[in-house]
Amino acid sequence: NAGVTQTPKFQVLKTGQSMTLQCAQDMNHNSMYWYRQDPGMGLRLIYYSASEGTTDKGEVPNGYNVSRLNKREFSLRLESAAPSQTSVYFCASIRSNYEQYFGPGTRLTVT
Amino acid sequence: GQSLEQPSEVTAVEGAIVQINCTYQTSGFYGLSWYQQHDGGAPTFLSYNALDGLEETGRFSSFLSRSDSYGYLLLQELQMKDSASYFCAVRDSPGTYKYIFGTGTRLKVLA
Repeated sequence: NAGVTQTPKFQVLKTGQSMTLQCAQDMNHNSMYWYRQDPGMGLRLIYYSASEGTTDKGEVPNGYNVSRLNKREFSLRLESAAPSQTSVYFCASIRSNYEQYFGPGTRLTVT
Repeated sequence: GQSLEQPSEVTAVEGAIVQINCTYQTSGFYGLSWYQQHDGGAPTFLSYNALDGLEETGRFSSFLSRSDSYGYLLLQELQMKDSASYFCAVRDSPGTYKYIFGTGTRLKVLA
């Protein structure tokens, strides 16, 4: 099992450009999450999907959209990137009600 | 607002015992988790407490007091590889597995 995979690993965007971060899990988990982590900070929840076909906002959803394509895949889209969105983005899925499995992260820089 | 407070940094020597505290203030409480994150890596799950008391997993233990809105992670027989950031996270909603993370404690283990 690959666990949780994310693409790309690194990305540099110019202000105003758009992109989609991809996430997939092969553990048959129902719930999936997108977090961002800024230097010296904890993880802040952007969006989550409790099950296939549902998505909900987290703490910091502004500037982002998500799609739960199927049970395996949960993508995060930045429609018009801003420097404030420079961060490391982690996707996660949950096995039980407490153990989240995280992907390796996408390091995004917006100039 | 919702918040989880942790010390920003803790330093200890190899072989010692260290305690990392977490005080939370959330709208709901349905469990406290702990995660470890090495520099440049993804968070990995360490332990979980839903009920008051101590949970032990090898060299790591976690404690919860719901009446005090407080928990801690105890690391024994510290090793150099334990140098990392440690995050507490609270599940704040009964209907979904949504977590709020603390800002993290950076642990430095000295030889």
